[in-house]
Order: sequence, then structure tokens, then C-alpha cells
Amino acid sequence: QSVLTQPPSASGTPGQRVTISCSGGSSNIGSNTVNWYRQLPGTAPKLLIYSNTQRPSGVPDRFSGSKSGTSASLAISGLQSEDEADYYCAAWDDSLNGVLFGGGTKLTVL
Amino acid sequence: QVQLQQWGAGLLKASETLSLTCAVYGGSFSGYYWSWIRQPPGKGLEWIGEINHSGSSNYNPSLKSRVTILVDTSKNQFSLKLRSVTAADTAVYYCASMSLDNWFDPWGQGTLVTVSS
Repeated sequence: QSVLTQPPSASGTPGQRVTISCSGGSSNIGSNTVNWYRQLPGTAPKLLIYSNTQRPSGVPDRFSGSKSGTSASLAISGLQSEDEADYYCAAWDDSLNGVLFGGGTKLTVL
Repeated sequence: QVQLQQWGAGLLKASETLSLTCAVYGGSFSGYYWSWIRQPPGKGLEWIGEINHSGSSNYNPSLKSRVTILVDTSKNQFSLKLRSVTAADTAVYYCASMSLDNWFDPWGQGTLVTVSS
């Protein structure tokens, strides 16, 4: 059902900057805010970025979000081994009248 | 600091009804939407539906015919029922608090529900 498209995988070496894209349409990203979640293996997802660019308290400023038109991106700078996780974008969809998630991106730190 | 704790049966047979409950601790029960989200093994997240403190609910159209989400404000709890389950409903089910701007935070710990045929 996912109409928010993310790359299935991404990778980088410690210290690098990586970006994860999330592509949608006019009924979701194009007209609503984007949120990002991080899911460590075997745990519940956790809010990472909300309202396109905002970080909840406790989230390091190495994580940043952006949105332009019908696409959004998550950037992680100063990559660390503990950043290995699955990352999901999400947005309200006006056609679904509900929340859509992206398919998820598995980030590997080489 | 709101915390969510969920529980329910983890093993069902096909055609039975999935039933999970989520309790909300440490915060206001009103002013938010209370949601259920699921994740099949090795797959991504799927929003199931939501309810507010007054009982107004909203469901994913793909599940709407089989889903009921209820709220019990006297206990600060909300629940999920999914009827006529099949193996395709095998997943980890999460409860979560949804803000008015549609982000989920916090999440419950998750419950693995396995449906056997």
C-alpha cells in the first residue's frame, strides 16, 4: 500500500554524511508535513524528526530533515555505528484519510 | 512523560478475532489520537487506525471492514479488535499516541501476533 517511496538500503562509513529520500505525491507530502522514525532491531520505532524539520528533545543535531514539493529527505551527518537501523518516513494522506508510511530504508554503517 | 503498555493474545487460529489493549500512563488522555500500527515480519509499517478520547475513530480502508478500535476513558485505555484473521495478519502490533499533526510518539513495546492456519 506504501506510496511513499524510500530506497530499500543506504550505507556510509563512520563520520560520513548520508541522506535518505522519501518521495510521495500531492495528497501526502505535497500537502502535509513529513515525520521520520528510526527503528533499531527488535525494538519499536521511535520518532526522529517531526513536522519536516523538527527534532524531539534528545535527538542529536546530526539528524536533520527537509522537504521540497512532494519529496522529503533525512540527513545524518557524522555517521556512527549506532546509527545502523531502519528509517521510515510518514505523512498524512488526504486521499486515504490516514497515515502513510514509506517502505523503510535499512542503513548500514560500513 | 506518557508511556504506553500493551498486551493481548499472541497466538491465534485463522478466522479468530485479534484483541489487544493499550494502557496510557503519565499524561493526558484527551487532546491526542490513540493509534494502532502493525509490522509484518521483515516488512514495513502499516497504519491500522485511530481513536480520540471521545470515541471518534478512523480506520485504514484496507482493514476497515474487520477493525474496531474502542476507548475506555475511565481506565485510560484503548483497544484493537481485528476479526476473521488470516496468516496475512501475522505481525507485530504497536499502539502509539498520535499528535494533532500526525506524528506518533511514544509507541508501545509491540506485541507479536501469529496467526496459524
